[in-house]
Amino acid sequence: QQQVKQSPQSLIVQKGGISIINCAYENTAFDYFPWYQQFPGKGPALLIAIRPDVSEKKEGRFTISFNKSAKQFSLHIMDSQPGDSATYFCAASKGAGSYQLTFGKGTKLSVIP
Amino acid sequence: NAGVTQTPKFQVLKTGQSMTLQCAQDMNHEYMSWYRQDPGMGLRLIHYSVGAGITDQGEVPNGYNVSRSTTEDFPLRLLSAAPSQTSVYFCASRTTGLGDTIYFGEGSWLTVV
Repeated sequence: QQQVKQSPQSLIVQKGGISIINCAYENTAFDYFPWYQQFPGKGPALLIAIRPDVSEKKEGRFTISFNKSAKQFSLHIMDSQPGDSATYFCAASKGAGSYQLTFGKGTKLSVIP
Repeated sequence: NAGVTQTPKFQVLKTGQSMTLQCAQDMNHEYMSWYRQDPGMGLRLIHYSVGAGITDQGEVPNGYNVSRSTTEDFPLRLLSAAPSQTSVYFCASRTTGLGDTIYFGEGSWLTVV
């Protein structure tokens, strides 16, 4: 049972463009939604996170949009740069204090010059 | 990946052998966990611990054993390695405070032949 569905599996974006990665969840008990960035040979690192009491959160070029009624959330990377090329994972947990993250399957982003 | 150290980085095992993946953190985090990452599968929780002497199972615990005798260390034991356990293993830690970041180690690449 896949509780967090992520799409697309891979994404190629030109430098300066907008990268959009989407996730959908099934469990309405989820109330904490982080995004992780992973470079080859490294562990995942927290990029940005949102709770469902807000519809959008922005940190620099990275924005999470959240649609509670549709049970969907997405990551937007504005002005995408080659250094953003990495694998991105969405995740969800029952509460920001929860220890158990349920991850999406990941999106490999390639930003080409 | 600050503060979470995993060893070894790479390991090749024969089917039926046992081994221990080591994880140590120096951030005095109560919570530690082990995930495995397989191509196209995201990260899946194996076991976790909320403090010394306390462990619990995650999503995919079969074939793995853990113990937590100190706050700093959380080793993962493969009792009788199988080819299905070929994967990249990540250790993670965090405090038990609300909204705190989960920090991942850099991973241990395990191949079982």
